[in-house]
Amino acid sequence: GAGVSQSPSNKVTEKGKDVELRCDPISGHTALYWYRQSLGQGLEFLIYFQGNSAPDKSGLPSDRFSAERTGGSVSTLTIQRTQQEDSAVYLCASSPRESYYGYTFGSGTRLTVV
Amino acid sequence: LAKTTQPISMDSYEGQEVNITCSHNNIATNDYITWYQQFPSQGPRFIIQGYKTKVTNEVASLFIPADRKSSTLSLPRVSLSDTAVYYCLVGDNGQAGTALIFGKGTTLSVSS
Repeated sequence: GAGVSQSPSNKVTEKGKDVELRCDPISGHTALYWYRQSLGQGLEFLIYFQGNSAPDKSGLPSDRFSAERTGGSVSTLTIQRTQQEDSAVYLCASSPRESYYGYTFGSGTRLTVV
Repeated sequence: LAKTTQPISMDSYEGQEVNITCSHNNIATNDYITWYQQFPSQGPRFIIQGYKTKVTNEVASLFIPADRKSSTLSLPRVSLSDTAVYYCLVGDNGQAGTALIFGKGTTLSVSS
């Protein structure tokens, strides 16, 4: 597609439930990144994919968080047993091989855990 | 990735030129300097990238001195719509395997 697409745009979930957030990167972009941003805060790096593999998972805050990428394209970030501190905007970005730091971000998924 | 230091906030008025300076004393030979802009309720947007001297595009100019230990993002004649957070990042653009780490950036507020 023309840009990075994330779904859903908004998600309200009850504490303890599992959620899945989806990212559809720009076609042909080899690298895909997940960040989260809490209200008024900077971006917190979560995980990075090169193709289908994740060389850097260092930012995942706990074992409740996991992510996968299939076919070198769509990625899913799963949060199990959500907690209120998981409430944030989850942003996905992708970049092409020839310009790894030329990220294109999606509009994000606003997650609210109640 | 080299650490960067930039002002937390800046204020300006419409029509003025705004210069945001970023320090990156430990920049490596292969590192590029990249700036992103983030409007409220949106993801960051790539605005400019450079290696040395000066780079200009339709949005901004980027000035990099010979020692590359700092860089200055210049926004000509800002408008209210330039109110945003501006992030300075340094890293090896051609090296896969690392992700950009965004700091708190510089919050630019433009008033009329």
